[in-house]
Amino acid sequence: EAGVAQSPRYKIIEKRQSVAFWCNPISGHATLYWYQQILGQGPKLLIQFQNNGVVDDSQLPKDRFSAERLKGVDSTLKIQPAKLEDSAVYLCASSPGQNYGYTFGSGTRLTVV
Amino acid sequence: GQQLNQSPQSMFIQEGEDVSMNCTSSSIFNTWLWYKQDPGEGPVLLIALYKAGELTSNGRLTAQFGITRKDSFLNISASIPSDVGIYFCAGPLDKLIFGTGTRLQVFP
Repeated sequence: EAGVAQSPRYKIIEKRQSVAFWCNPISGHATLYWYQQILGQGPKLLIQFQNNGVVDDSQLPKDRFSAERLKGVDSTLKIQPAKLEDSAVYLCASSPGQNYGYTFGSGTRLTVV
Repeated sequence: GQQLNQSPQSMFIQEGEDVSMNCTSSSIFNTWLWYKQDPGEGPVLLIALYKAGELTSNGRLTAQFGITRKDSFLNISASIPSDVGIYFCAGPLDKLIFGTGTRLQVFP
């Protein structure tokens, strides 16, 4: 089966600019996650969707980050405006349900200068 | 909040050696997972553990779910160069939290 697709792979922006990341999960996977991985650290959960509804966004900095999964399939994560400390790899993962193992995409590496 | 501490932080070993790493949680988990991350890639699931005391193998990898449910262990036997990467413990499944990672370097 095809894996989790993410784009772009790399993005460099200036601080205060906006950026959006896209994720296409494995077909049929109801649960989708966005993680932020800062260099040298483990991934940190930002938001979890079940179909097109938000299950957990308690770690999402909502003043600048937003995410949506309108039709319960693809998802986008947006940062507006970006700060230097947002430089990280943004990973998307999906699973068939909340009690199954996650499959991760290759991530989008964001550099804010 | 919950924290997962892994040790050691990094390991430098010779090809053929065995490797052991562990992970401890500040709270009880009902599932433990071990992932490996290669440079520029997302984490890949290696082993999942669902019951206290469970011992599960995947090729040269063996992982154990600690009986206290607050720890887990991963062993790699007869290491090879492609074992190089960062190993993360994670749990529980309903909201996956990742550990601090163990960076493994294997020298020929």
